[in-house]
Amino acid sequence: GAVVSQHPSRVICKSGTSVKIECRSLDFQATTMFWYRQFPKQSLMLMATSNEGSKATYEQGVEKDKFLINHASLTLSTLTVTSAHPEDSSFYICSASSPRQDNQQYFGPGTRLTVT
Amino acid sequence: GEDVEQSLFLSVREGDSSVINCTYTDSSSTYLYWYKQEPGAGLQLLTYIFSNMDMKQDQRLTVLLNKKDKHLSLRIADTQTGDSAIYFCAESLDDYKLSFGAGTTVTVRA
Repeated sequence: GAVVSQHPSRVICKSGTSVKIECRSLDFQATTMFWYRQFPKQSLMLMATSNEGSKATYEQGVEKDKFLINHASLTLSTLTVTSAHPEDSSFYICSASSPRQDNQQYFGPGTRLTVT
Repeated sequence: GEDVEQSLFLSVREGDSSVINCTYTDSSSTYLYWYKQEPGAGLQLLTYIFSNMDMKQDQRLTVLLNKKDKHLSLRIADTQTGDSAIYFCAESLDDYKLSFGAGTTVTVRA
């Protein structure tokens, strides 16, 4: 149980375009989803926390207009990187949690974004 | 990751035990975690320990917690080549957020 998927696993886009990443909890309803960013050989940095049906809470330094998060249902959250630039290239990982899963975070496999 | 510190690299011979150490700063952390990340993949929750416990054992994995010194360790017995990965220590914060260490790259040599 507690499986989280992400789609796509890899995406390449051109500068100036937007790209959407999906995070799904497959076998449980996630009341909270987290979005992280990981640079090569570095740790995970929390970008934002989203609760179903409400606005995401962004960490300090994360531009909410650039990284749009929508948590429309208990099994789906999306991260849209708007007007992407090469410096947005990174590994984006989501996690999902629920009181029924003891509030532990279960992570997706990650999405590798490359902006050319 | 500034509040959680780990050594960056560990090299171990196949069959030996690996010990990965971690220190954290938030004494109010409820849970402490160990995650494993293989190349190009997400994080796999290996084990976690509640803050009122000293030790937790799960098959080849043993977690030791010294709450006084805010020190956490993960011991992997009989290390195998499949154990080569990056291991992240994490502490729970308010609102169920996690703070991660920088990760320890474990290399298992034959």
